[in-house]
Amino acid sequence: AQSVTQPDIHITVSEGASLELRCNYSYGATPYLFWYVQSPGQGLQLLLKYFSGDTLVQGIKGFEAEFKRSQSSFNLRKPSVHWSDAAEYFCAVGARIRSSGNTGKLIFGQGTTLQVKP
Amino acid sequence: EAGVVQSPRYKIIEKKQPVAFWCNPISGHNTLYWYLQNLGQGPELLIRYENEEAVDDSQLPKDRFSAERLKGVDSTLKIQPAELGDSAVYLCASSLATNTEAFFGQGTRLTVV
Repeated sequence: AQSVTQPDIHITVSEGASLELRCNYSYGATPYLFWYVQSPGQGLQLLLKYFSGDTLVQGIKGFEAEFKRSQSSFNLRKPSVHWSDAAEYFCAVGARIRSSGNTGKLIFGQGTTLQVKP
Repeated sequence: EAGVVQSPRYKIIEKKQPVAFWCNPISGHNTLYWYLQNLGQGPELLIRYENEEAVDDSQLPKDRFSAERLKGVDSTLKIQPAELGDSAVYLCASSLATNTEAFFGQGTRLTVV
């Protein structure tokens, strides 16, 4: 079964500092991978996605993520954090292949709350 | 292009009362999802539709929850009767097809008192 782990529940960084949010997944084949951001009281906005090809993907708002098959990871990075990046970040995995028991749904991690210090 | 539209944004009801949520997906999106998001948690799938067919409702508590997607466009999620533990945010999302990126609405925050 698919699963997603975001080890860091809460992270605080200073404005202008670099950021890395961790995501580890469990799946028997190469999954589809996503990062979403959620501001308070809002729905989820897609930051970036990985389906295939280049393992370093660029997203919106200056974010990027790298798929590392050997580590089953898809960590999100940003070189310089802005105060407006404070939000909750969710990593999600989708099953690539339709097989028995796989319904193609997205499985989300528990989220990482990012706080940005002035 | 309009995004996924949900209504109402907020709903407060007494326990044992019925409640319904409505979702209008992005035009042309065949796949529609209802997710439940508890405070401090990631969304969890309740039901997924491909067109008007519910293809995954394994996580939907069918004793009190029901959903429909007539004509394969709008969808309604209903709870009857609501319980205190149903207080959460109910998110609707849509995608062109399964395993493509899903676009989320702003959600309906339900409070059961």
